[in-house]
Amino acid sequence: QKEVEQDPGPLSVPEGAIVSLNCTYSNSAFQYFMWYRQYSRKGPELLMYTYSSGNKEDGRFTAQVDKSSKYISLFIRDSQPSDSATYLCAMSAYPGAGNKLTFGGGTRVLVKP
Amino acid sequence: EAQVTQNPRYLITVTGKKLTVTCSQNMNHEYMSWYRQDPGLGLRQIYYSMNVEVTDKGDVPEGYKVSRKEKRNFPLILESPSPNQTSLYFCASSPGTGPEQYFGPGTRLTVT
Repeated sequence: QKEVEQDPGPLSVPEGAIVSLNCTYSNSAFQYFMWYRQYSRKGPELLMYTYSSGNKEDGRFTAQVDKSSKYISLFIRDSQPSDSATYLCAMSAYPGAGNKLTFGGGTRVLVKP
Repeated sequence: EAQVTQNPRYLITVTGKKLTVTCSQNMNHEYMSWYRQDPGLGLRQIYYSMNVEVTDKGDVPEGYKVSRKEKRNFPLILESPSPNQTSLYFCASSPGTGPEQYFGPGTRLTVT
């Protein structure tokens, strides 16, 4: 079983809808939880990260972490066609484990105009 | 512009022909790492470096070498590439004061 599980999608939504993404994990050592966005033929781009449990908001993006359930979420409000990309969750036991990021497989999102 | 650069972006080679993929960052970051991305397996760490002359293995180091002689550069060396190393490779860097890593644009390698 993978340490981090993420539904591969694709997830198709109409423009303006809320996009809901999530990941589950099994390693209790993870303390930091990140979301990256990856456009086709590009490198992953860091959107935001949170430490431990709780919520964090950045513009149209909200990240939630529930460590008791080992479950993290990313919500994208008022989605735009430019949000069409693959979204990767990543987790870290920083500063331990060589600062390695452990990734989910990514969810492909398509926002239709 | 703060960035991580990789060269080449695309490479097709044959089994056994040594190759080097270069990585450079202009952010004075202490930490650098290499990942490979494969369908169904996601991104997996190959090697990382906490600072100059300090490197260590990640999850999938077999068949790869790295060196860190300068802070800004972290080349990935495949001394005898095999077809199972066909993949999309990403270099990343981090200031080392937090968990976040910043990725380069990727190198698509095909080994025939």
